[in-house]
Amino acid sequence: QSALTQPASVSGSPGQSITISCTGTSSDVVDYNSVSWYQQHPGKAPKLIIYDVSNRPSGVSNRFSGSKSGNPASLTISGLQAEDEADYYCSSYTSSSTVVFGGGTKLTVL
Amino acid sequence: QVQLQESGPGLVKPSGTLSLTCAVSGGSISSSNWWSWVRQPPGKGLEWIGEIYHSGDTNYSPSLKSRVTISVDKSKNQFSLKMSSVTAADTAVYYCARDYYYGSGSYDFWGQGTLVTVSS
Repeated sequence: QSALTQPASVSGSPGQSITISCTGTSSDVVDYNSVSWYQQHPGKAPKLIIYDVSNRPSGVSNRFSGSKSGNPASLTISGLQAEDEADYYCSSYTSSSTVVFGGGTKLTVL
Repeated sequence: QVQLQESGPGLVKPSGTLSLTCAVSGGSISSSNWWSWVRQPPGKGLEWIGEIYHSGDTNYSPSLKSRVTISVDKSKNQFSLKMSSVTAADTAVYYCARDYYYGSGSYDFWGQGTLVTVSS
């Protein structure tokens, strides 16, 4: 299985919105609604921010939203804040009963 | 609140076997969740290694399947990872994690991670 494809980096100014894409195949993203997104700050474990394409775990800001229409899946962060600067990873369940991650996207808040 | 804690040697020799344990507290390993291992080489992205259910059922990454074994010890409320024939490419921070709900493929609780270096 190949890693899901994400842009290496994105940037935005405080208050703006940004979108990160996550491209997969019919073996994962396209055919499964088990796409998740994680936020990872340097030296820390990943934090789940979106599961099942568009659902937020309890306690996650509603500034984070996820969507999918076939391919790719997307994470949108609205009202960018300095604390949002981090690495973001998507993942998907696959047809082989495994999980595959994306390569990660570094978000810079200008 | 579920907590996970990885433990094991921080240094493994090339061609040796990497062994890590993840102790689960605040919850039961016999709950309806899968328990997983994920790794992250220095400066690189996340890589899923595999997962286990308390019944002993497992799923492994195809690229690592030949070298990896994940097991569970319900009496100690922990699960373990063994990876054989390691090389420098296996140097990474290894995380254990719990899936958000059965078969979700999403992980809501993570350990702090442990760095394993493969070097002679």
